[in-house]
Amino acid sequence: GAGVSQSPRYKVAKRGQDVALRCDPISGHVSLFWYQQALGQGPEFLTYFQNEAQLDKSGLPSDRFFAERPEGSVSTLKIQRTQQEDSAVYLCASSLVGGTGRTEAFFGQGTRLTVV
Amino acid sequence: AQTVTQSQPEMSVQEAETVTLSCTYDTSENNYYLFWYKQPPSRQMILVIRQEAYKQQNATENRFSVNFQKAAKSFSLKISDSQLGDTAMYFCAFTDLNTGTASKLTFGTGTRLQVTL
Repeated sequence: GAGVSQSPRYKVAKRGQDVALRCDPISGHVSLFWYQQALGQGPEFLTYFQNEAQLDKSGLPSDRFFAERPEGSVSTLKIQRTQQEDSAVYLCASSLVGGTGRTEAFFGQGTRLTVV
Repeated sequence: AQTVTQSQPEMSVQEAETVTLSCTYDTSENNYYLFWYKQPPSRQMILVIRQEAYKQQNATENRFSVNFQKAAKSFSLKISDSQLGDTAMYFCAFTDLNTGTASKLTFGTGTRLQVTL
């Protein structure tokens, strides 16, 4: 596709529900990142994939958060038993080659998750 | 751990004027990149400008330029001839090239820029 596509754009979940957020990166991009952006804050790193391999998940806040990219393309961020503190915008970014900082990361428009 | 600090929560500038957004960072690394991203209400982060730490020359992109002071760990963004379309949140970000495989970004808390007529 022309850019990074995320769905849904908005998600309202009742506390305790499971949610799945989808990211469709730019075709051919090797690297894929997930970030969490709380209201009024900058994005914070969650996890990183190089193709289908999850090479860094140090930013995942708890074991309720799980991400996968089984075929090295589309990625899904799953949050189990959602809590109010999970309310945030979840941003996905992809870049052409393995993360070196030398290639630009392109961001999607994010999914705004509200847990009520 | 790296930290990025933006001390100006909000800034305002008149159309066609110049504005400077401040950013400081803290790192023990010597090899890194610094970025300014723009986030309009659509939420999509757009790269404005990038600076490589080993380059002494300040980066420029059309109306956007940076003042990179490595010793002071300062990285300010200057927007010249401000336009209404520049209204957005601006985030300063850092990536360490020595993290191995992941060029994960560390962001500041952002500066909300309002361009007025």
